[in-house]
Amino acid sequence: AQSVTQLGSHVSVSEGALVLLRCNYSSSVPPYLFWYVQYPNQGLQLLLKYTTGATLVKGINGFEAEFKKSETSFHLTKPSAHMSDAAEYFCAVRTSGGSNYKLTFGKGTLLTVNP
Amino acid sequence: DTAVSQTPKYLVTQMGNDKSIKCEQNLGHDTMYWYKQDSKKFLKIMFSYNNKELIINETVPNRFSPKSPDKAHLNLHINSLELGDSAVYFCASSHSTESYEQYFGPGTRLTVT
Repeated sequence: AQSVTQLGSHVSVSEGALVLLRCNYSSSVPPYLFWYVQYPNQGLQLLLKYTTGATLVKGINGFEAEFKKSETSFHLTKPSAHMSDAAEYFCAVRTSGGSNYKLTFGKGTLLTVNP
Repeated sequence: DTAVSQTPKYLVTQMGNDKSIKCEQNLGHDTMYWYKQDSKKFLKIMFSYNNKELIINETVPNRFSPKSPDKAHLNLHINSLELGDSAVYFCASSHSTESYEQYFGPGTRLTVT
C-alpha cells in the first residue's frame, strides 16, 4: 500500500525567500506523484505532477518538484515566495495503470508568507 | 464553464436528518470521486465511480450512499446524519487512461448540529 509523509505541518517563510515543502512517499510500484494547493475555502488545484520521464517537473506559479527514487522523495520548491503563495499544500501518490486506483494524500503543509 | 461543480456549497442540518450533495463535471472524464476533508484538513477518499460503476468503496458507514446516474454526475446521499459527519466533502473527476490528475470541485461544507 502506498503512503505519503509530509514533513512539517507548518512552514513559514519571508516574502522573497526560498520555499521548500517536503514529501516522502512509500509505494510498492512506480509511483505517480502530485502536489496540490488549497487556498482558503476553496477546492484543491493541481500544481504539478510526476508520472514518468524527466524527474524535475515544473508546475504553475513558479513551483517545481524533483522526483528522487533513491530517497523516495518529491519535495516542492519555489525560488522566491510571494504573499499569494500562502495556502495549504498537499502531496499525493497513486499507483499507475488502470481505473481502479486512488490518490493517497499527505496530511498537508500550511505555508505562511511573512512580509 | 466550471469544470467540477458541487451543490450546495454550505449545508447546515440537524442530527438525524437525511441530506444529499450533488456533483457535476463537464470535462468529459469517466471517473469521479468523493473525498472527505476533516477539521484537520486530512483528505480521505470515500468512493470512486468509473463509467457509473462503483470501483472504490472505502470503509465508509452504510449511511453514505453514492449514486452515479451518468458519467458526468456523482451524488452523495447521507442518511441519519451524525455530528461526526461534519466536514468538507469534495467531488473530483479524472480520465482513467489519458491523464492521471484529478480535478476537484469547490467543496461542500457540511455542519451537523
